[in-house]
Amino acid sequence: EVQLVESGGGLVLPGGSLRLSCAASGFTFSSYSMNWVRQSPGKGLEWIAYITSRSVPIYYADSVKGRFTISRDNAKNAVSLQMNSLRDDDTAVYYCARDGRDARTTNEIPFDHWGQGTLVTVAS
Amino acid sequence: DIQMTQSPSSLSASVGDRVTITCRASQTISIYVNWYQQKPGKAPKLLIYAASSLQSGVPSRFSGSGSRTDFTLTISSLQPEDFATYYCLQNYVIPPTFGPGTKVEI
Repeated sequence: EVQLVESGGGLVLPGGSLRLSCAASGFTFSSYSMNWVRQSPGKGLEWIAYITSRSVPIYYADSVKGRFTISRDNAKNAVSLQMNSLRDDDTAVYYCARDGRDARTTNEIPFDHWGQGTLVTVAS
Repeated sequence: DIQMTQSPSSLSASVGDRVTITCRASQTISIYVNWYQQKPGKAPKLLIYAASSLQSGVPSRFSGSGSRTDFTLTISSLQPEDFATYYCLQNYVIPPTFGPGTKVEI
């Protein structure tokens, strides 16, 4: 069974930093691209970062580019999100999500499995 | 960025009803649309990918259709566990973008 478990959320001051982690199990982690997606309280979903199985290429949403860094450790089956210069509007539940693969076409299937999410609150 | 709109933003329905949710893209995106269901306090769950492919384990009462700019998610006979918010997502280009959601209520 595919499992993704996020950790590292919490309360942080504006301008502060936080590092989120996502532990993966139940699949060959090194073969799949991974993402971070966030959801502000009561709001919709926003994709923020993507990393391929070999860590290249990497893409970010404009809203976090230059402040957030996604990385992965295939030996530890984990993906991380380093968040710096945090702002009030970064307050959200952060999910890690796997990109699956269509067995017929080998195309990636976006966000076929999600973690339970971890809450990040940026406030003074 | 490609903008995704959904209609309606919410709807009231009864068990057994046929429900249709529409998603429209701001430019043509072939069949690169996916549908997710989210219940309160839970992570989203993938229902449909590539416009009409049913994700493994998802009941067959869910179906998707459409191409280019207009897409629909249909629930053929609404069940009690289907009351949730539904989101479309385009993955034709980066950044992938979600629609604002459709809340299906009793």
